[in-house]
Amino acid sequence: EPEVTQTPSHQVTQMGQEVILRCVPISNHLYFYWYRQILGQKVEFLVSFYNNEISEKSEIFDDQFSVERPDGSNFTLKIRSTKLEDSAMYFCASGRLAESNTGELFFGEGSRLTVL
Amino acid sequence: SQQGEEDPQALSIQEGENATMNCSYKTSINNLQWYRQNSGRGLVHLILIRSNEREKHSGRLRVTLDTSKKSSSLLITASRAADTASYFCATPLRGSYIPTFGRGTSLIVHP
Repeated sequence: EPEVTQTPSHQVTQMGQEVILRCVPISNHLYFYWYRQILGQKVEFLVSFYNNEISEKSEIFDDQFSVERPDGSNFTLKIRSTKLEDSAMYFCASGRLAESNTGELFFGEGSRLTVL
Repeated sequence: SQQGEEDPQALSIQEGENATMNCSYKTSINNLQWYRQNSGRGLVHLILIRSNEREKHSGRLRVTLDTSKKSSSLLITASRAADTASYFCATPLRGSYIPTFGRGTSLIVHP
């Protein structure tokens, strides 16, 4: 069964460093998302991406964050200068635009980011 | 915010019992989804119910939606230890199709 894959599974970085989290969405999906979950807390929406541009973003997704779909298969989240509070599990998700437009998402297993 | 909020935050039951989780939301929606998350893993879609549906079944799962009360419930019948997970309801963001999640209900099923 097709699945969303994410790398790395765990990354430890120093505060102020740049981090790139990678995702390979399901191949026939058109909508791509990043969410994050701080340990023990709710899953928070960061950004959605469609047709090579950001379609929605939350207030969390500030200038430190960027997304890119560089080659038609990968979908990346970059954090330019990490802060301690960026420590979280980052989930990539993809969705298929069906006629019913159900919004059902398929999630990857997550990338755990630890900022020291 | 249109985020759903689940209740209770935590639920502990014995295997074989039924588990009921509730979700309340604030504004009109066109659908509501339930997801499951095993500890440290990604979310897995369980079921979607549209605003014109009142009840939906999938295996041991039963979901209801009451749009007048802006609430939904997820019932897991004959629970198993493997059902131990967090369960989230998801409602669309600001009238769009993008699911946003509440804090979830942590379900523990004791063998």
